[in-house]
Amino acid sequence: DQQVKQNSPSLSVQEGRISILNCDYTNSMFDYFLWYKKYPAEGPTFLISISSIKDKNEDGRFTVFLNKSAKHLSLHIVPSQPGDSAVYFCAASEASNQFYFGTGTSLTVIP
Amino acid sequence: KAGVTQTPRYLIKTRGQQVTLSCSPISGHRSVSWYQQTPGQGLQFLFEYFSETQRNKGNFPGRFSGRQFSNSRSEMNVSTLELGDSALYLCASSLPPPDTQYFGPGTRLTVL
Repeated sequence: DQQVKQNSPSLSVQEGRISILNCDYTNSMFDYFLWYKKYPAEGPTFLISISSIKDKNEDGRFTVFLNKSAKHLSLHIVPSQPGDSAVYFCAASEASNQFYFGTGTSLTVIP
Repeated sequence: KAGVTQTPRYLIKTRGQQVTLSCSPISGHRSVSWYQQTPGQGLQFLFEYFSETQRNKGNFPGRFSGRQFSNSRSEMNVSTLELGDSALYLCASSLPPPDTQYFGPGTRLTVL
């Protein structure tokens, strides 16, 4: 049973526009959330995290929003750049190092 | 600080064989987790080790096992390989939870 879901397998965005990647989870006990970016033949690279005590965390062009009542997480990338083209995974954990990952969203930023 | 390293990067085996993959965590990280990535399945959690003890285990058959050494390096073993075990195996290390996991480049295992 997939506890973390990314329902959009792919997303295309024009360079300079906003990219919004979405993630839903089912376990209300999850309290720590991460976003990773992955290029082919490489391991995932950490982007940004958020704990359940916050509803927003920002790091440069990347902002993560957490809506606990909706069990929904989103990653905003503004402005999007061609180098952002990659697969993005969200992950969640419940006070442990056992993380549950979504199936990923492939983002393509069109120059 | 050096990142997580995994060896070998690529491996080809045949059905029925066994394989051992190695992971060296970031210096100072004592938690090591293993994941399997297959197309369409995302990253599936295998197990997590901390201070040589397995703390968490995912939903994989007993053919998948691991261990961690006193220097925090970890190995993962898969016995009696099946075609469906072909995947990218990722190792991640972190400080005590909750903390960000940092991934290695992975080992691409192909079972023929």
